[in-house]
Amino acid sequence: EVQLVESGGGLVQPGRSMKLSCAASGFTFSNYGMAWVRQAPTKGLEWVATISYDGSSTYYRDSVKGRFTISRDNAKSTLYLQMNSLRSEDTATYYCTRERYYRGYYVMDAWGQGASVTVSS
Amino acid sequence: DIQMTQSPASLSASLGETVTIECRASEDIYNGLAWYQQKPGKSPQLLIYNANSLHTGVPSRFSGSGSGTQYSLKINSLQSEDVASYFCQQYYDYPWTFGGGTKLELK
Repeated sequence: EVQLVESGGGLVQPGRSMKLSCAASGFTFSNYGMAWVRQAPTKGLEWVATISYDGSSTYYRDSVKGRFTISRDNAKSTLYLQMNSLRSEDTATYYCTRERYYRGYYVMDAWGQGASVTVSS
Repeated sequence: DIQMTQSPASLSASLGETVTIECRASEDIYNGLAWYQQKPGKSPQLLIYNANSLHTGVPSRFSGSGSGTQYSLKINSLQSEDVASYFCQQYYDYPWTFGGGTKLELK
């Protein structure tokens, strides 16, 4: 069974940093691209960042570019999101997702339970 | 960025009814579209990918269709467990973008 378990969320002051982790199990982690998606309270979904299966390629939404870094440790089957210079608008539940290749496209076919991040003084 | 406009924002339907949710992209996304279901307090779950392919384990009463800029999700014979929010998402181009969501309730 595919499992994605996020950790590292909590309350953080504006301007500070936080690092999220996502422990993967039930599949060969090093074969899959991975992504982070966030959802602000009572709001919709927002893609944050993607990393290729080997970490050689990364993609970010503009609002987090230069502040967030997505990375992975395939030996530990773990995905990370380093978040610096946090702002109140980064407050959200952050989901770790697996990307599966389906006929020309990468689809987010598995999601973790989410980690809550609150940016407030 | 590709804008995804989803309608309606909310929907009330009876058990056994057929419901349709629409999603319009601001440009052609060449069937690079998924539909997700999210129940309260839970993470999203993939229903449909590549516009019309049913994800493993998803009941056959769910179906997706469309092409170009216009896509739809249909739920046949609505069940109580289908009460949830539904989101479309394009993955044709970065940044991946989502529709605003449709909250489906029972009448």
